Amino acid sequence: GQSLEQPSEVTAVEGAIVQINCTYQTSGFYGLSWYQQHDGGAPTFLSYNALDGLEETGRFSSFLSRSDSYGYLLLQELQMKDSASYFCAVRARPGANNLFFGTGTRLTVIP
Amino acid sequence: DTGVSQDPRHKITKRGQNVTFRCDPISEHNRLYWYRQTLGQGPEFLTYFQNEAQLEKSRLLSDRFSAERPKGSFSTLEIQRTEQGDSAMYLCASSLSLAGSSYNEQFFGPGTRLTVL
Repeated sequence: GQSLEQPSEVTAVEGAIVQINCTYQTSGFYGLSWYQQHDGGAPTFLSYNALDGLEETGRFSSFLSRSDSYGYLLLQELQMKDSASYFCAVRARPGANNLFFGTGTRLTVIP
Repeated sequence: DTGVSQDPRHKITKRGQNVTFRCDPISEHNRLYWYRQTLGQGPEFLTYFQNEAQLEKSRLLSDRFSAERPKGSFSTLEIQRTEQGDSAMYLCASSLSLAGSSYNEQFFGPGTRLTVL
């Protein structure tokens, strides 16, 4: 089976930095993605890691350690609009692109 | 707006009725996925197509569910004899898969929210 664990809720102050962790147990692993979803909205792609290390895209960075089955999403210079749910998702098989999603972390940014 | 559209956005039906949802992917995308999402959970994979071929179905997809993608463009998801447990958001996503590429970002539509009374 597949399982992905994330904290259910995180609260952070505007302008601060927040890290959302994801640990996974899957039958296979071919990459970890992060998606953002605002209430009532569609998930939107943030980043993807197939190899160990840090990927940076603007204010968002994502890290992967395959040996630890662990990754995180780092959000810097938090803005109120970053309040949303964040999902990690694993691509568990090669050649297929269907994703297994975690249960999500609800981030609340406060003034 | 990601370019993926779904119709209808909301559907309320009575238990036992059949419902059909439509997804229009980004036009050049060859892969199309269906997911289901319930409140407080992440999306759960249901099925995906490469062009018109349905390549994988989750065991979540009971025989009451059927999906098609005729001509490799839009897709429909039909649920027969709906049950209250089918109430969820049904999300469609599309991606462009190229030979030799290892990952293709998925673009999600706004979803169809189904309520079964």
